[in-house]
Amino acid sequence: EVQLVQSGPEVKKPGESLRISCEGSGYSFTSHWIAWVRQMPGTGLEWMGVIFPSDSDTRYSPSFQGHVTISVDTSISTAYLQWSSLEASDSAIYYCSRLTSGVAELDYWGQGTLVTVSS
Amino acid sequence: DVVMTQSPLSLPVTLGQPASLSCRSSQSLLHRDGNTYLTWFHQRPGQSPRRLIFKVSNRDSGVPDRFSGSGSGTDFTLKISRVEAEDVGVYYCMQGTHWPPLTFGGGTKLEIK
Repeated sequence: EVQLVQSGPEVKKPGESLRISCEGSGYSFTSHWIAWVRQMPGTGLEWMGVIFPSDSDTRYSPSFQGHVTISVDTSISTAYLQWSSLEASDSAIYYCSRLTSGVAELDYWGQGTLVTVSS
Repeated sequence: DVVMTQSPLSLPVTLGQPASLSCRSSQSLLHRDGNTYLTWFHQRPGQSPRRLIFKVSNRDSGVPDRFSGSGSGTDFTLKISRVEAEDVGVYYCMQGTHWPPLTFGGGTKLEIK
């Protein structure tokens, strides 16, 4: 069974750094792109970027380029989303999702990680 | 980037009645490989999105057959033949033909009247 299990909720202060994770299981982790999607309170879904675990090829949405970093550790089948300096506007739920092999379709989703940034 | 526009924003439906949700793209979603990468997701309150339909009209495993997807080019529809209580939530369409980026519609919130 394909599963994406994300790390738990985080409460941080503006300016702090953060890394959240997404562990894949039940499939060949290196064969599928992993996407990160943001959902701000009461709003819709925004694609942030993707990474291909096999070679760490990474693509970012221009809206997020330079503000977040997507990475992967294939030895533990885990993808990461990190910030070096959080802002209050980063408060949101972050989802990881798997792309179907070879095509740009999201099939399986993690349970989401709630990030709260507040002074 | 391709812009995805969903309507209506909110859809009140009586239990047992049909529902029709629209999704329009700013460019044709027909890929050069002959496929159209238009996906529908359903998100219940407090839950992750769940994929219902891929490549316009293919239902995912476990999705009831009261859900159907149709359309081509720039105009797509998700239909629910008889709405049940568990169908409430927000429905999103997403295109993967012209990526990156992957782009989502703004969502249609289905509620029971």
